[in-house]
Amino acid sequence: GENVEQHPSTLSVQEGDSAVIKCTYSDSASNYFPWYKQELGKGPQLIIDIRSNVGEKKDQRIAVTLNKTAKHFSLHITETQPEDSAVYFCAASEARNTPLVFGKGTRLSVIA
Amino acid sequence: DAGITQSPRYKITETGRQVTLMCHQTWSHSYMFWYRQDLGHGLRLIYYSAAADITDKGEVPDGYVVSRSKTENFPLTLESATRSQTSVYFCASSRTSSYNEQFFGPGTRLTVL
Repeated sequence: GENVEQHPSTLSVQEGDSAVIKCTYSDSASNYFPWYKQELGKGPQLIIDIRSNVGEKKDQRIAVTLNKTAKHFSLHITETQPEDSAVYFCAASEARNTPLVFGKGTRLSVIA
Repeated sequence: DAGITQSPRYKITETGRQVTLMCHQTWSHSYMFWYRQDLGHGLRLIYYSAAADITDKGEVPDGYVVSRSKTENFPLTLESATRSQTSVYFCASSRTSSYNEQFFGPGTRLTVL
């Protein structure tokens, strides 16, 4: 089955700097890659996703890139703000009816 | 209010007791999921359901039982709780299994003594 590895497990950046979180997956059939953000005491929430027919997707300060050949995808957050501090999870799925497989999460701290 | 709710939010129980965690969603989403979140393990799928009366095992189903008699409810039962089941449990719902956003509940923090 699918295996998703996520790095780093913790990341600290200065406010205004960029943050990058990377994930690799094992199943070449996977074609949907969402990113979830979990704030303290809450459930995860979808922030951006990408499908295998797209190499990059942006939404304001966040972007996701996908390299299907290398089987890895990354989350990029620019101009980080304190409210970006949270745990971020990547995930992968190979089909509509196949459950998502999540990475182990990255705790991002933005230092003011 | 519309959305997905979990109850209780906090639960302390003893080893060997039966515990049921409740999950309710108001969107009429077909799919519902139960995850557990543990430090160092991220989110691990316990069980999921594609529709009423249809359930499937996830990555870590042992020790858990689910049912789904109504589309909006998806209770998770620990038949005989063990200390290793101490965790934060999240319920989620979605229009499809994976291609659409999963909406997570606020979580239930379960402690088994």
